[in-house]
Amino acid sequence: GDSVTQMEGPVTLSEEAFLTINCTYTATGYPSLFWYVQYPGEGLQLLLKATKADDKGSNKGFEATYRKETTSFHLEKGSVQVSDSAVYFCALSPFRNGANSKLTFGKGITLSVRP
Amino acid sequence: DTEVTQTPKHLVMGMTNKKSLKCEQHMGHRAMYWYKQKAKKPPELMFVYSYEKLSINESVPSRFSPECPNSSLLNLHLHALQPEDSALYLCASSRDYRGPYNEQFFGPGTRLTVL
Repeated sequence: GDSVTQMEGPVTLSEEAFLTINCTYTATGYPSLFWYVQYPGEGLQLLLKATKADDKGSNKGFEATYRKETTSFHLEKGSVQVSDSAVYFCALSPFRNGANSKLTFGKGITLSVRP
Repeated sequence: DTEVTQTPKHLVMGMTNKKSLKCEQHMGHRAMYWYKQKAKKPPELMFVYSYEKLSINESVPSRFSPECPNSSLLNLHLHALQPEDSALYLCASSRDYRGPYNEQFFGPGTRLTVL
């Protein structure tokens, strides 16, 4: 079945540091890939998405590139801010004939950014 | 309007109470979802409604009863819950349930505590 693997956390960085959060997936066909962010006490927000190989999703300074050859969708940001402190979930949605949009989530990783 | 709203924000109930959670979206989406999220875990899918019909029940106990009165509204009726049902309950919607590119938009959640 489909699965998403995220790097172990938590991650603590200083403000303006470079961020990479690793995400790899297992799925048949060409899934859509997502990063969701959950700020403390809130629901999930869609941060960015990519729907085919080599697509780059970007939003709020975050980027992730759909790499089919390495089955990866790593999240990066060049300079993190304290306000980026949150839990980040990588997720996939299958794309097969008749497939549903059921999301498969990774375990999530907590990012804390120090001033 | 790209918002999913949920009420109430917080709910405390006893094990003999009956209560309901409400969710609303005005994006014209035809798929709506209930998720349960425990602390520091990814959301777990409970139910999916597609075109106002229940499509998926992920073996959820009958003390949780979903209802979709119309295409914009989704309710979750709660009765005789257990303390282990305490969690954040998230509602989500997407354009459709079958097919690609259907990112899900999440509401802020209802924080439920069962005493």
